[in-house]
Amino acid sequence: AQSVTQPDIHITVSEGASLELRCNYSYGATPYLFWYVQSPGQGLQLLLKYFSGDTLVQGIKGFEAEFKRSQSSFNLRKPSVHWSDAAEYFCAVGAEGGKLIFGQGTELSVKP
Amino acid sequence: DAMVIQNPRYQVTQFGKPVTLSCSQTLNHNVMYWYQQKSSQAPKLLFHYYDKDFNNEADTPDNFQSRRPNTSFCFLDIRSPGLGDAAMYLCATSRDGGVQETQYFGPGTRLLVL
Repeated sequence: AQSVTQPDIHITVSEGASLELRCNYSYGATPYLFWYVQSPGQGLQLLLKYFSGDTLVQGIKGFEAEFKRSQSSFNLRKPSVHWSDAAEYFCAVGAEGGKLIFGQGTELSVKP
Repeated sequence: DAMVIQNPRYQVTQFGKPVTLSCSQTLNHNVMYWYQQKSSQAPKLLFHYYDKDFNNEADTPDNFQSRRPNTSFCFLDIRSPGLGDAAMYLCATSRDGGVQETQYFGPGTRLLVL
C-alpha cells in the first residue's frame, strides 16, 4: 500500500537560513509526488509536484524539491526562509482514483 | 478568480444534531473531494464524486453522507455528529481525477461539536 512519511513533526529555522523538509514514500510504481502548504486556518496550496522528467522540481515561493528514487525520498528545500513561510507542510503521493495520500505534516516555525 | 469556496468557515453544532457543510467551485472540475483533518493530523479522504458518481472510502463512517446536485456544488452531511467528528473539513477539486493532477482546496470549514 502507498504511504508517505514525514519524519520531522516540527522544525524551527532562523529567518534567512536554508530549509530542508524530509519526505519518504512507499509506492510500487513511479510515484506522483506533491508538496502542499497549509497556513493556519486555511486550506492547502500546491507548492510543486513531480511525476516524470527532471528530478529537481521548481515550485512557487522559491521552493524546490528533489526526487531520489534510490532513497524513496522527495525532500523540499528553500535556500533562504522568510517569516511568511511559517506554516504546515504536507508531502503527498497520488494514488488510484486521483486520491492523495498525505504524510503527517511538518510544522515550520521561523525565528526572527 | 476561479476558486473553491466553503461555507460556513466555522460551524458549531450540538452532539447528535445534523449538520451540513457546503462547497462550491467555479473551476468547472469534474471531481470533488471531501477530506477530514483532525488537529495536528494529515487530511484523510472521506469520499469523492466523479461527476455524479459517488466513491466512498472503505473506512468512512456511515454517519457521513454527501450530495452533489450539480457540477458546482457538493455537500457534506453529518447525520449525528459526535465529539470525535470535530475537525476541519476540506473540500477539493480536480479536473478529471488523474493521479498526476493538482487538487485545488477550499479554505475549509472548522466544525465544533458541543
